[in-house]
Amino acid sequence: TQLLEQSPQFLSIQEGENLTVYCNSSSVFSSLQWYRQEPGEGPVLLVTVVTGGEVKKLKRLTFQFGDARKDSSLHITAAQPGDTGLYLCAARGGGSQGNLIFGKGTKLSVKP
Amino acid sequence: DAGVIQSPRHEVTEMGQEVTLRCKPISGHDYLFWYRQTMMRGLELLIYFNNNVPIDDSGMPEDRFSAKMPNASFSTLKIQPSEPRDSAVYFCASSLEQGLSPLHFGNGTRLTVT
Repeated sequence: TQLLEQSPQFLSIQEGENLTVYCNSSSVFSSLQWYRQEPGEGPVLLVTVVTGGEVKKLKRLTFQFGDARKDSSLHITAAQPGDTGLYLCAARGGGSQGNLIFGKGTKLSVKP
Repeated sequence: DAGVIQSPRHEVTEMGQEVTLRCKPISGHDYLFWYRQTMMRGLELLIYFNNNVPIDDSGMPEDRFSAKMPNASFSTLKIQPSEPRDSAVYFCASSLEQGLSPLHFGNGTRLTVT
């Protein structure tokens, strides 16, 4: 069974602070996705990373895929209250499986 | 596009009753997924379909759970009989294809079994 471990589980910070959350596994993945989920809604895709060492930026969010494609990180610069939510990483099951496996997520709260 | 539509949004039922959750995927999407989300276990994949055919149902907890996809625009997840431990938010999602395609989620059905 492939597991995605996310840390920290909870994070509460003040507006303007920087933060990094992590997604780790002992398995190698061909790609990895990050989703954000707000209360009462389903997760929404933020980014897909494919190449080992790849860095993608989405405004104040920076995503990195580890060189060995076993881990990923999400860095938020100058967090805003609108960044509050549950951040989930996800990867496809092994082989040609279509199923997407999710980590348990990091619950971020940004206080004004 | 209206996105993935789930109904009902909330369901409260008594233990032992049958519960049916419904999902309309995005038109043209070949894959449909049912997930369950709880605080303890996070998002768990229950079953997924490709072109209306169940591909992997290894996540279905037990025989009380069943899922069908009679056509490309409709799927149901049924729990019979329901138990308090089934209380969770159930999400349906659809995607265009395998690989890099994102999952598009509905807003979920919050199920409470008393």
